[in-house]
Amino acid sequence: GQQLNQSPQSMFIQEGEDVSMNCTSSSIFNTWLWYKQDPGEGPVLLIALYKAGELTSNGRLTAQFGITRKDSFLNISASIPSDVGIYFCAADYTGANSKLTFGKGITLSVRP
Amino acid sequence: DGGITQSPKYLFRKEGQNVTLSCEQNLNHDAMYWYRQDPGQGLRLIYYSQIVNDFQKGDIAEGYSVSREKKESFPLTVTSAQKNPTAFYLCASSDRENPEAFFGQGTRLTVV
Repeated sequence: GQQLNQSPQSMFIQEGEDVSMNCTSSSIFNTWLWYKQDPGEGPVLLIALYKAGELTSNGRLTAQFGITRKDSFLNISASIPSDVGIYFCAADYTGANSKLTFGKGITLSVRP
Repeated sequence: DGGITQSPKYLFRKEGQNVTLSCEQNLNHDAMYWYRQDPGQGLRLIYYSQIVNDFQKGDIAEGYSVSREKKESFPLTVTSAQKNPTAFYLCASSDRENPEAFFGQGTRLTVV
Protein backbone atom coordinates (compact mmCIF):
# COMPACT_ATOMS: atom_id res chain seq x y z
CA GLY A 1 0.00 0.00 0.00
CA GLN A 2 0.94 3.66 -0.07
CA GLN A 3 3.44 4.71 2.59
CA LEU A 4 4.79 8.02 3.77
CA ASN A 5 8.29 8.03 5.21
CA GLN A 6 9.23 10.40 8.00
CA SER A 7 12.59 10.22 9.69
CA PRO A 8 14.17 10.42 12.12
CA GLN A 9 11.56 9.32 14.67
CA SER A 10 12.78 12.00 17.13
CA MET A 11 14.52 15.36 16.81
CA PHE A 12 16.11 17.49 19.53
CA ILE A 13 16.81 21.17 18.96
CA GLN A 14 17.70 24.25 20.97
CA GLU A 15 15.15 27.01 21.48
CA GLY A 16 15.55 29.61 18.74
CA GLU A 17 16.86 27.17 16.14
CA ASP A 18 15.18 26.38 12.85
CA VAL A 19 14.18 22.81 12.04
CA SER A 20 13.15 21.12 8.82
CA MET A 21 11.22 17.86 8.40
CA ASN A 22 10.76 15.84 5.25
CA CYS A 23 8.05 13.45 4.17
CA THR A 24 8.67 11.21 1.18
CA SER A 25 6.85 8.54 -0.75
CA SER A 26 7.23 6.38 -3.83
CA SER A 27 3.64 7.30 -4.80
CA ILE A 28 2.33 10.60 -6.14
CA PHE A 29 -0.31 12.59 -4.28
CA ASN A 30 -2.60 15.52 -5.01
CA THR A 31 -2.72 16.89 -1.48
CA TRP A 32 -0.17 17.14 1.34
CA LEU A 33 -1.13 18.03 4.89
CA TRP A 34 0.94 18.67 8.02
CA TYR A 35 -0.48 18.07 11.49
CA LYS A 36 0.85 18.67 14.99
CA GLN A 37 -0.15 16.60 18.01
CA ASP A 38 0.35 17.86 21.54
CA PRO A 39 0.76 15.18 24.25
CA GLY A 40 -2.55 13.50 25.06
CA GLU A 41 -4.48 15.45 22.43
CA GLY A 42 -5.70 14.90 18.89
CA PRO A 43 -3.67 16.13 15.90
CA VAL A 44 -4.37 19.65 14.66
CA LEU A 45 -4.00 20.69 11.03
CA LEU A 46 -1.14 23.15 10.50
CA ILE A 47 -0.85 23.57 6.75
CA ALA A 48 -2.58 22.15 3.66
CA LEU A 49 -0.94 22.06 0.22
CA TYR A 50 -2.87 21.42 -2.98
CA LYS A 51 -0.55 22.20 -5.88
CA ALA A 52 2.84 20.81 -6.88
CA GLY A 53 5.54 23.35 -6.09
CA GLU A 54 3.26 25.31 -3.74
CA LEU A 55 4.99 27.03 -0.84
CA THR A 56 2.71 28.05 2.05
CA SER A 57 3.42 29.79 5.34
CA ASN A 58 1.52 29.92 8.60
CA GLY A 59 3.36 32.16 11.06
CA ARG A 60 6.73 30.56 11.78
CA LEU A 61 5.80 27.47 9.76
CA THR A 62 6.52 27.03 6.08
CA ALA A 63 5.64 23.96 4.04
CA GLN A 64 6.20 23.00 0.43
CA PHE A 65 4.51 20.51 -1.91
CA GLY A 66 7.33 18.82 -3.83
CA ILE A 67 7.44 19.35 -7.58
CA THR A 68 7.47 15.57 -8.18
CA ARG A 69 4.30 15.25 -6.02
CA LYS A 70 6.10 12.54 -4.04
CA ASP A 71 7.35 14.63 -1.14
CA SER A 72 6.78 17.60 1.11
CA PHE A 73 8.73 19.43 3.77
CA LEU A 74 7.83 21.47 6.83
CA ASN A 75 10.13 24.14 8.25
CA ILE A 76 9.75 25.68 11.69
CA SER A 77 11.75 28.85 12.25
CA ALA A 78 12.91 30.32 15.56
CA SER A 79 11.59 27.38 17.60
CA ILE A 80 9.96 27.95 20.98
CA PRO A 81 9.15 25.48 23.79
CA SER A 82 5.50 25.12 22.73
CA ASP A 83 6.64 23.67 19.39
CA VAL A 84 7.18 20.41 21.26
CA GLY A 85 4.97 17.63 19.96
CA ILE A 86 4.58 15.04 17.21
CA TYR A 87 4.50 16.28 13.63
CA PHE A 88 2.67 14.12 11.10
CA CYS A 89 2.58 14.42 7.37
CA ALA A 90 -0.47 13.13 5.54
CA ALA A 91 -1.30 12.84 1.86
CA ASP A 92 -4.23 12.11 -0.38
CA TYR A 93 -4.46 11.13 -4.03
CA THR A 94 -8.00 11.47 -5.23
CA GLY A 95 -9.26 14.23 -2.92
CA ALA A 96 -12.80 12.93 -2.73
CA ASN A 97 -14.23 9.75 -1.18
CA SER A 98 -10.76 8.68 -0.19
CA LYS A 99 -8.79 8.40 3.02
CA LEU A 100 -5.59 10.04 4.08
CA THR A 101 -2.30 8.20 4.33
CA PHE A 102 -0.26 9.25 7.38
CA GLY A 103 3.44 9.14 8.14
CA LYS A 104 4.56 7.73 11.48
CA GLY A 105 5.38 11.16 12.82
CA ILE A 106 8.44 12.94 14.18
CA THR A 107 8.61 13.78 17.88
CA LEU A 108 10.19 17.21 18.33
CA SER A 109 11.84 18.24 21.58
CA VAL A 110 12.96 21.82 22.19
CA ARG A 111 15.58 22.55 24.82
CA PRO A 112 15.19 25.94 26.54
CA ASP B 1 -18.78 25.89 18.13
CA GLY B 2 -18.37 23.27 15.42
CA GLY B 3 -16.16 20.36 16.23
CA ILE B 4 -15.68 16.68 16.88
CA THR B 5 -16.14 15.28 20.37
CA GLN B 6 -14.85 12.05 21.78
CA SER B 7 -15.92 10.70 25.12
CA PRO B 8 -14.78 9.73 27.61
CA LYS B 9 -11.19 11.05 27.70
CA TYR B 10 -10.02 8.10 29.82
CA LEU B 11 -11.59 4.66 29.99
CA PHE B 12 -10.70 1.62 32.05
CA ARG B 13 -12.07 -1.84 31.42
CA LYS B 14 -11.44 -5.35 32.58
CA GLU B 15 -10.06 -7.85 30.13
CA GLY B 16 -12.79 -9.73 28.29
CA GLN B 17 -15.32 -6.90 28.35
CA ASN B 18 -16.56 -5.08 25.29
CA VAL B 19 -16.34 -1.29 25.43
CA THR B 20 -17.81 1.40 23.18
CA LEU B 21 -16.06 4.69 22.45
CA SER B 22 -18.20 7.65 21.43
CA CYS B 23 -17.49 10.08 18.57
CA GLU B 24 -19.85 12.90 17.61
CA GLN B 25 -19.34 15.70 15.09
CA ASN B 26 -21.41 18.78 14.25
CA LEU B 27 -19.35 19.79 11.21
CA ASN B 28 -21.84 18.21 8.79
CA HIS B 29 -19.03 16.03 7.47
CA ASP B 30 -19.88 12.97 5.42
CA ALA B 31 -16.78 10.94 6.25
CA MET B 32 -15.68 9.72 9.66
CA TYR B 33 -12.65 7.66 10.73
CA TRP B 34 -11.25 5.76 13.67
CA TYR B 35 -7.51 5.50 14.26
CA ARG B 36 -5.46 3.72 16.86
CA GLN B 37 -2.20 5.26 18.09
CA ASP B 38 0.56 3.35 19.86
CA PRO B 39 3.97 4.86 20.72
CA GLY B 40 6.19 5.00 17.66
CA GLN B 41 3.54 3.50 15.37
CA GLY B 42 1.84 6.61 14.06
CA LEU B 43 -1.87 6.52 13.25
CA ARG B 44 -3.32 3.22 12.08
CA LEU B 45 -6.76 3.20 10.47
CA ILE B 46 -9.32 0.90 12.08
CA TYR B 47 -12.57 1.68 10.25
CA TYR B 48 -13.94 4.50 8.13
CA SER B 49 -17.31 5.56 6.85
CA GLN B 50 -17.99 7.85 3.92
CA ILE B 51 -21.77 7.85 4.18
CA VAL B 52 -24.50 6.93 6.64
CA ASN B 53 -25.21 3.19 6.94
CA ASP B 54 -21.97 2.28 5.18
CA PHE B 55 -18.44 1.67 6.49
CA GLN B 56 -15.24 -0.07 5.43
CA LYS B 57 -12.45 -1.87 7.25
CA GLY B 58 -9.16 -0.11 7.59
CA ASP B 59 -5.75 -1.68 8.12
CA ILE B 60 -6.36 -3.10 11.60
CA ALA B 61 -10.11 -3.84 11.87
CA GLU B 62 -9.86 -7.21 13.61
CA GLY B 63 -11.42 -7.11 17.08
CA TYR B 64 -13.30 -3.87 16.43
CA SER B 65 -16.79 -3.01 15.19
CA VAL B 66 -18.53 0.22 14.21
CA SER B 67 -21.93 1.56 13.21
CA ARG B 68 -23.00 4.67 11.30
CA GLU B 69 -26.71 5.10 11.89
CA LYS B 70 -26.52 8.90 11.96
CA LYS B 71 -24.33 11.30 10.01
CA GLU B 72 -22.99 12.93 13.15
CA SER B 73 -22.15 9.77 15.10
CA PHE B 74 -19.62 6.96 14.56
CA PRO B 75 -19.18 4.83 17.70
CA LEU B 76 -16.37 2.27 17.93
CA THR B 77 -16.74 -0.95 19.93
CA VAL B 78 -13.58 -2.64 21.12
CA THR B 79 -14.52 -6.28 21.53
CA SER B 80 -13.01 -8.96 23.69
CA ALA B 81 -11.51 -10.42 20.49
CA GLN B 82 -9.04 -7.52 20.27
CA LYS B 83 -5.88 -9.03 21.72
CA ASN B 84 -4.13 -5.82 22.76
CA PRO B 85 -6.79 -3.12 23.21
CA THR B 86 -4.86 -0.71 25.44
CA ALA B 87 -4.11 2.31 23.23
CA PHE B 88 -5.01 5.90 22.39
CA TYR B 89 -8.00 6.04 20.04
CA LEU B 90 -8.64 8.98 17.73
CA CYS B 91 -11.77 9.81 15.77
CA ALA B 92 -11.70 12.15 12.78
CA SER B 93 -14.07 13.54 10.18
CA SER B 94 -13.78 15.21 6.81
CA ASP B 95 -15.94 16.60 4.07
CA ARG B 96 -16.43 14.30 1.10
CA GLU B 97 -14.89 16.82 -1.29
CA ASN B 98 -12.02 17.92 0.97
CA PRO B 99 -9.44 15.52 2.43
CA GLU B 100 -8.56 17.76 5.42
CA ALA B 101 -9.43 15.65 8.44
CA PHE B 102 -10.39 17.15 11.80
CA PHE B 103 -9.62 15.12 14.90
CA GLY B 104 -11.25 14.71 18.27
CA GLN B 105 -9.23 14.91 21.48
CA GLY B 106 -8.89 11.16 21.74
CA THR B 107 -9.84 8.46 24.24
CA ARG B 108 -7.16 6.62 26.17
CA LEU B 109 -8.37 3.08 26.78
CA THR B 110 -6.67 0.94 29.39
CA VAL B 111 -7.64 -2.70 29.74
CA VAL B 112 -6.53 -4.45 32.90
